Amino acid sequence: GAVVSQHPSWVICKSGTSVKIECRSLDFQATTMFWYRQFPKQSLMLMATSNEGSKATYEQGVEKDKFLINHASLTLSTLTVTSAHPEDSSFYICSAQDRGRGRTEAFFGQGTRLTVV
Amino acid sequence: SQQGEEDPQALSIQEGENATMNCSYKTSINNLQWYRQNSGRGLVHLILIRSNEREKHSGRLRVTLDTSKKSSSLLITASRAADTASYFCATAPRSNDYKLSFGAGTTVTVRA
Repeated sequence: GAVVSQHPSWVICKSGTSVKIECRSLDFQATTMFWYRQFPKQSLMLMATSNEGSKATYEQGVEKDKFLINHASLTLSTLTVTSAHPEDSSFYICSAQDRGRGRTEAFFGQGTRLTVV
Repeated sequence: SQQGEEDPQALSIQEGENATMNCSYKTSINNLQWYRQNSGRGLVHLILIRSNEREKHSGRLRVTLDTSKKSSSLLITASRAADTASYFCATAPRSNDYKLSFGAGTTVTVRA
């Protein structure tokens, strides 16, 4: 199956700093990737749709200036949590689908555990 | 917004028993998918069932879909300790087949 790699798998940062999370599709091109946030023992909440070469589409209630998304190539999307605060601590997961083969199942990165202290 | 609702929230069974979980959704769909998530990891795709299918099998997994009731079930037969995980159903609206919404999930614990 298709492989999506997410990095880092965990990060601890100080309040006020910014953190960048990378999501790469390793063996297929992904014009669209998705970023989710997951709180403990809860489901995935879609944050935004990352579109290659254009602006991301954010879900209602998600601050675009807080969560910067860049999708500069067909294999890489990045999520930057700016001026992080403890309430931003969460598990962030990206996904992509191999649309080139018409597949709608999503392939997920390993997730990033962000802890803001 | 969360499209699917799942029940039960949690399930504890003995190794070798079957585990059944259900998912309900609200809008018309092209397909419904089930994913597994081990603690602290990403999700793994298990099975996809299309709206014109009623039942699908993959190994020890059996999925049913009832579009009239907007519901689906996932059955894991002869469970193993390695099946311990959270299971999520996911749907996408007909207007955007790629934008998945996930249910609340069912946490399954298989006791050895």
